[in-house]
Amino acid sequence: GAGVSQSPSNKVTEKGKDVELRCDPISGHTALYWYRQSLGQGLEFLIYFQGNSAPDKSGLPSDRFSAERTGGSVSTLTIQRTQQEDSAVYLCASSLESGTPEAEQYFGPGTRLTVT
Amino acid sequence: LAKTTQPISMDSYEGQEVNITCSHNNIATNDYITWYQQFPSQGPRFIIQGYKTKVTNEVASLFIPADRKSSTLSLPRVSLSDTAVYYCLVGDRGMDSNYQLIWGAGTKLIIKP
Repeated sequence: GAGVSQSPSNKVTEKGKDVELRCDPISGHTALYWYRQSLGQGLEFLIYFQGNSAPDKSGLPSDRFSAERTGGSVSTLTIQRTQQEDSAVYLCASSLESGTPEAEQYFGPGTRLTVT
Repeated sequence: LAKTTQPISMDSYEGQEVNITCSHNNIATNDYITWYQQFPSQGPRFIIQGYKTKVTNEVASLFIPADRKSSTLSLPRVSLSDTAVYYCLVGDRGMDSNYQLIWGAGTKLIIKP
């Protein structure tokens, strides 16, 4: 079956512009996660959705970052007034059940964001 | 909140057994411990998970002591294709009772011929 898809695969934007990153999870997966990975670094958790609600927003770096999920499916991560330090790969994952380590996460290929 | 510690990097040779340990104090009592593998330019993928003692699947084994303060991922007879970054994942409930997933910083494993 289809895996997690993300779009765009690459995005180059100018400092100060807003960007939207999209994630299509595996059908039927109720949990959805967003992560950020800077070059050569580990995973930085951003936000987790269970259905359409976000029990854990603790990782969002600033109020320039927001995310929503509609219909328990597609999610959009929005970064407003982008800064150069926002440049990274943004990874989305989904899992069948709730956000515990037991729930196997399936990752998408990521969106590489470059802010110039 | 629980913290995890993994070696930053490890080297080994083809055919050897590699053990990567993640230390994790104060993890959630009822949670599993999970390990992921990440190749360059790809998202991480699940390798193995366990609750306690030993778990084995077709690619790895996972050893978890009784106190669950660490876990060791064991890769038997590694090959060049096992060169990747390996992450441990645990969970904990913070002071505010909010549950959080806690990823290790990752261990970069390099396999040499």
